[in-house]
Amino acid sequence: DTAVSQTPKYLVTQMGNDKSIKCEQNLGHDTMYWYKQDSKKFLKIMFSYNNKELIINETVPNRFSPKSPDKAHLNLHINSLELGDSAVYFCASSHRVAEQPQHFGDGTRLSIL
Amino acid sequence: SQELEQSPQSLIVQEGKNLTINCTSSKTLYGLYWYKQKYGEGLIFLMMLQKGGEEKSHEKITAKLDEKKQQSSLHITASQPSHAGIYLCGAASTQGGSEKLVFGKGTKLTVNP
Repeated sequence: DTAVSQTPKYLVTQMGNDKSIKCEQNLGHDTMYWYKQDSKKFLKIMFSYNNKELIINETVPNRFSPKSPDKAHLNLHINSLELGDSAVYFCASSHRVAEQPQHFGDGTRLSIL
Repeated sequence: SQELEQSPQSLIVQEGKNLTINCTSSKTLYGLYWYKQKYGEGLIFLMMLQKGGEEKSHEKITAKLDEKKQQSSLHITASQPSHAGIYLCGAASTQGGSEKLVFGKGTKLTVNP
């Protein structure tokens, strides 16, 4: 069973479009995260949710809107995609907010044409 | 803000050789995490260190946190091709509360058979 699963694995789309990435964890964890890894492999946190509530918003443009319908899901919606949004987006989870993520999804590779 | 510097940026070794990767922090570390990433996959949690002087091992990988808690090293003994990947260190950027994980830029390890 996959602990943290995100879909799609690949996303190729044109500038200006709106797209969503979904993430689900079956570990019963309270906290979920979105990270962005750029072309130089630098990994940076974007958002963190604990029990469906936003706790970290790391100065991400408001074109990015995370949504957590329940604590097992954290989706990421991106409006008006720009070239600079091309990256790999990773979802992750941790048991509690005071811990750091130990389980990551396999990533969604987003390419903007 | 806390910054982590990893060295070397990349490393190519012959199978069977030992190697060390370093992670140096600009501030005192309250929790240091090591992850491994293979191409096209998410991060795999390796180890977490919290106490000064702490050392942990998993199979042929040993991680240490120095007494001053500003540097960590990851040592691989008798490397194998399966050890190849990108190794990332991560640190909690504040001491408590809603901590976020800050990552180093990674060390790319290639192990030649």
